[in-house]
Order: sequence, then structure tokens, then C-alpha cells
Amino acid sequence: NAGVTQTPKFRILKIGQSMTLQCAQDMNHNYMYWYRQDPGMGLKLIYYSVGAGITDKGEVPNGYNVSRSTTEDFPLRLELAAPSQTSVYFCASSYDEKLFFGSGTQLSVL
Amino acid sequence: QKEVEQNSGPLSVPEGAIASLNCTYSDRGSQSFFWYRQYSGKSPELIMSIYSNGDKEDGRFTAQLNKASQYVSLLIRDSQPSDSATYLCAVGGAGSYQLTFGKGTKLSVIP
Repeated sequence: NAGVTQTPKFRILKIGQSMTLQCAQDMNHNYMYWYRQDPGMGLKLIYYSVGAGITDKGEVPNGYNVSRSTTEDFPLRLELAAPSQTSVYFCASSYDEKLFFGSGTQLSVL
Repeated sequence: QKEVEQNSGPLSVPEGAIASLNCTYSDRGSQSFFWYRQYSGKSPELIMSIYSNGDKEDGRFTAQLNKASQYVSLLIRDSQPSDSATYLCAVGGAGSYQLTFGKGTKLSVIP
């Protein structure tokens, strides 16, 4: 039972670098999401997807991009990393609005 | 702007007591309500969902919803130290798969 798999678990980036956070799910869910969580804060939606080929912005999309070429995969791309993107990132998929989260990626931009 | 408000805590209760966690929301059109538990350094996990006014019980957990007052709560009976975590309230709108999360309430159960 893999569920939602995120990689990497930890990453340190220098300002201006780029990277892709990987997310894959094996539950055949159409809906997938990327959230960020800052200390003491709730989850903020970055991007979401309702199916392969369809993505849309959430509450805090600036500085990020996504793609959804398959039902299983939903990578998050950070271009020109900034210190404000230091956070914990969670990928999730959903069924009947119930979210299933990956284990998270702790990202530091220095 | 949809808002979900929670008391950040920490809320401390003795082992065996009832823990009461509260959440208010701003969007009157909200239709679905969820409680997620998040242990320190871990990802959130769903523990309760509720869609209609009243109470919903699942083991030691009871979710309560009052749409007129825009209020949802989570009661944990016979609290255990293993219940110590941050509890996130999440609210969804009609036909929307985007949830709005509160900042969470940190619960500590003291042995």
C-alpha cells in the first residue's frame, strides 16, 4: 500500500536554483494537490489538478509550476528559488473530498 | 476570502478527560467539514468527516456541526497521551474539491 509517495524528503537549495518535487499516487484518484505548510500555520493550497492534463492555481501559486501528464504523477516545479519558499510541502490526492497526504518534503532555501 | 479559525492552543488535558476542539468558518455555503490529525514532523491524516448538522461518532471521536452558527467541533473522549498532536479543521464548499484549512490546535494529553 504505497498511497502517495513524495520525493525527496529533505532538500537545501541556494537562492535562484530550481528543482522539481516529485509526487506519485497509486490509488487512481483523479484529484491531486500541492500544499505548503509554514510553522504554526495551516495548509495553503499551491496548485491542484482534477485529472490528467488539467491543472489550476490555488491560493499561493506564485513561484511554482505544475504539470499532470498521467493520473499517477503530479510534479511541482520551483523556478528561481527564494527564501520565502522555505517550507514543508505536501502532495495529496483525494476521493470524495477526503485527502490522502504524502510524507512531505522539507525544503530550505538559503 | 474563506476563513477557518481555530484556537492555536496549546490545549492541555489530563489523561482520561474529554478534549474539546473548536473551529469556526466564514463561508455560509460550506458543505463538508473535516478533522485531520498531524503528529509533529508527520503528514496530516483524516480522522473525521461530517456533512450535516448534528453529531457523528467514531470510536472515541465525536464531530459536531452547527451550520447556523458556522461552527464545527471535535470531542475526544478518554484522551490518551497518543492523542497529543495538532488537529486541523478543514472546510469545503459545495461542488468544490478545494479545502480551506485552519491553522490547527495543538493538543497535549498529560499522563
